[in-house]
Amino acid sequence: DAGVTQSPTHLIKTRGQQVTLRCSPKSGHDTVSWYQQALGQGPQFIFQYYEEEERQRGNFPDRFSGHQFPNYSSELNVNALLLGDSALYLCASSLALAGYTDTQYFGPGTRLTVL
Amino acid sequence: SQQGEEDPQALSIQEGENATMNCSYKTSINNLQWYRQNSGRGLVHLILIRSNEREKHSGRLRVTLDTSKKSSSLLITASRAADTASYFCATAVIYNQGGKLIFGQGTELSVKP
Repeated sequence: DAGVTQSPTHLIKTRGQQVTLRCSPKSGHDTVSWYQQALGQGPQFIFQYYEEEERQRGNFPDRFSGHQFPNYSSELNVNALLLGDSALYLCASSLALAGYTDTQYFGPGTRLTVL
Repeated sequence: SQQGEEDPQALSIQEGENATMNCSYKTSINNLQWYRQNSGRGLVHLILIRSNEREKHSGRLRVTLDTSKKSSSLLITASRAADTASYFCATAVIYNQGGKLIFGQGTELSVKP
């Protein structure tokens, strides 16, 4: 049973560029949430997708956008990258029927470095 | 912004000792969860306690929740070197549609052999 997978593992971009991160949820899960974790901090909620719609959003600018596909996988897009966007981006999956915030299963993360 | 505050920020103990981490939060919650993270990798779910529960056990882990004080604690008994990691509490807030986890800043635990 595959857990949550994320790609790529590491990414280096320059300021102003755009990036797309990908996530495949745990088998059987239908809800995907994205978090940003800066060095030495706890993860911060970016947004959550269920039934291909953004259901909840954290305090992040519109430069952060996402998408969920019919197979429940998800993408996180960040436009006009800033140095401050350098962080570990975590994807978490869960089952809506069990409660959107019941146990969440996290992927290994994508380490984004913006130069 | 982080909802939770955890203390201590760092904790260093010897193998075999118990480790206690505390978490405080600000708003009403549906449940509170504890996660572990090794060296900046993905988070591993440890235990979930619902708002109507006061104590929960899982193996060497014991979690308490005091909703009147908006606080929780995680106790790891008989710690091992392999327990060395960062530990985060996360409060679950559920809306009409969807929900989110709000994480604290974490406690960095070091268990020396």
